Amino acid sequence: AQTVTQSQPEMSVQEAETVTLSCTYDTSESDYYLFWYKQPPSRQMILVIRQEAYKQQNATENRFSVNFQKAAKSFSLKISDSQLGDAAMYFCAYRSNFGNEKLTFGTGTRLTIIP
Amino acid sequence: GAVVSQHPSRVICKSGTSVKIECRSLDFQATTMFWYRQFPKQSLMLMATSNEGSKATYEQGVEKDKFLINHASLTLSTLTVTSAHPEDSSFYICSARDFRGAESNYGYTFGSGTRLTVV
Repeated sequence: AQTVTQSQPEMSVQEAETVTLSCTYDTSESDYYLFWYKQPPSRQMILVIRQEAYKQQNATENRFSVNFQKAAKSFSLKISDSQLGDAAMYFCAYRSNFGNEKLTFGTGTRLTIIP
Repeated sequence: GAVVSQHPSRVICKSGTSVKIECRSLDFQATTMFWYRQFPKQSLMLMATSNEGSKATYEQGVEKDKFLINHASLTLSTLTVTSAHPEDSSFYICSARDFRGAESNYGYTFGSGTRLTVV
């Protein structure tokens, strides 16, 4: 079974600075998707960014970008120009491209933005 | 954008009673619904996967007789917690697989969650 590990339970960053959240995963598959989701205090899950494993190019979405290292099974999220609204729990998630399309989530990183 | 309406948002029930949580896709057909459970300050743990018109597939360790899932239509899936006990108190979230448009390969729409407290 696939596992997703987020080794940073909590992170903090000064407003306008850059922060990187780490995520590693374990799989024997070669074709899969990786996601970063944000869960603000409202508890609504919001997709931040996703990466397809067969694509070598790192995904970017405005201030959010990933560093996808397939061989190392690493998928970190970089948030540039951090804003107060970025404060939330961030979950890394894995999805196989075979069988059930369920998401396997990491344990989460709580990000605090310091004004 | 796609919306999954989840109700109720909060519910308090007495121990031994049953509680039903509904997730309704408002503008798309949710052929597959995932049900998650989230304890405080923890991750989302998948409980079961339901496909419209068929029996749900439960994850290992999840009691299917306690957590009844019904997915009778393409827009409605329900989770019923039967004979609830305080240890069932948790945050329950549904997530619909959204096959539409550009995100058809990887789209998911989450409900806003239900906080269940069993007293």
